[in-house]
Amino acid sequence: EIVLTQSPGTLSLSPGERATLSCRASQSISSSYLAWYQQKPGQAPRLLIYGASSRATGIPDRFSGSGSGTDFTLTISRLEHEDFAIYYCQQYGSSPIFTFGPGTKVDIK
Amino acid sequence: QLQLQEPGPGLVKPSETLSLTCTVSGGSISSSTYYWGWIRQPPGKGLEWIGSIYYSGSTYYNPSLESRLTISVDTSKNQFSLKLTSVTAADTAVYYCALWPRGNWYFDLWGRGTLVTVSS
Repeated sequence: EIVLTQSPGTLSLSPGERATLSCRASQSISSSYLAWYQQKPGQAPRLLIYGASSRATGIPDRFSGSGSGTDFTLTISRLEHEDFAIYYCQQYGSSPIFTFGPGTKVDIK
Repeated sequence: QLQLQEPGPGLVKPSETLSLTCTVSGGSISSSTYYWGWIRQPPGKGLEWIGSIYYSGSTYYNPSLESRLTISVDTSKNQFSLKLTSVTAADTAVYYCALWPRGNWYFDLWGRGTLVTVSS
């Protein structure tokens, strides 16, 4: 089973600042199989990034994804108030075929 | 526009069976374009993939739940369902149904989720 680790656990930043979130896999995965989601309190997760770097429909261009192998990054170039949320990475692979990271909470400093 | 809807919150007693149904609207569950899935989230915790199904009935289960899990599809009702037997308090969670586009490796449409509490 591939285990995803996300860091930091919590990121405290101010609006307008840049956020850099890390997702590390316990073994190498194809970039095609890495996705990022945003979840706000009381809401379902929303797909942000798929294929490590492709933005989902309607996602603002301040969100970008990068990485390969075991190390992947989600960057929010300038935080807006609506971006304060929990972010999860997810990989597709062998059994279990989908696993999620534990999440990074981005909160207001 | 496709939408997914789970039922309202529920209460299940320990050792009993948890049953949920997701209704698909705005499209056909028999589309060859999609797989359908269940994901859960214990209160204050992260996401866990439960399992997925194709309209043909092919299933993919999380090994950690497989011995207690059945996912099925009813094309006549445009619904897919989850049954989890012998539940414990550890199965208390918000359960989401979600859409997995075939040929892709993510979930791009989610239901709003339903809280299932396991308690006597």
